[in-house]
Amino acid sequence: EAEVAQSPRYKITEKSQAVAFWCDPISGHATLYWYRQILGQGPELLVQFQDESVVDDSQLPKDRFSAERLKGVDSTLKIQPAELGDSAMYLCASSTRRGPETQYFGPGTRLLVL
Amino acid sequence: RKEVEQDPGPFNVPEGATVAFNCTYSNSASQSFFWYRQDCRKEPKLLMSVYSSGNEDGRFTAQLNRASQYISLLIRDSKLSDSATYLCVVRAGNTPLVFGKGTRLSVIA
Repeated sequence: EAEVAQSPRYKITEKSQAVAFWCDPISGHATLYWYRQILGQGPELLVQFQDESVVDDSQLPKDRFSAERLKGVDSTLKIQPAELGDSAMYLCASSTRRGPETQYFGPGTRLLVL
Repeated sequence: RKEVEQDPGPFNVPEGATVAFNCTYSNSASQSFFWYRQDCRKEPKLLMSVYSSGNEDGRFTAQLNRASQYISLLIRDSKLSDSATYLCVVRAGNTPLVFGKGTRLSVIA
């Protein structure tokens, strides 16, 4: 069964450092999402791509976060500089153009900022 | 007020018990409703969609009350493997999915 791939699975960094996360969606899925999930909370959308275009980044803290999906396939989410409050699970999900309500999540990247 | 609110939990129930989770949503324009399951330190996975007429999938039954803006999930004959966090999710039109905080269930032998 096809899966969403993410790396790294775990990342420990010091505040003010830069971190980057990578996501490879299920082949053929046009829509890609990055979510942040703080412990004890539900996932919150950071950014949504349709192919290579950003559809929604209204909740992305643009002063420190950036995301790209240059070729409309895999995607990178970057934080620079990282802050203590960025410690969370970063989840990538993908869906087909016709079925945006069924999202398939990757295993996530657990970030700890010290 | 949070867009999606769920029972605080955790729910600790013995094997074989019936347990119900409740969820309310504030956006009356919401059109799509789901329950996702998330195991500890794992990613969320779609458990079931929720339809207006109510729907059942094996031991799981989902109900929707649009007038009260209320969704429920009933699990019958609980198994140890049902232990997880259950996330209530709603969507209005083409807007992003909105997740609740989740309710944690522990099924005890």
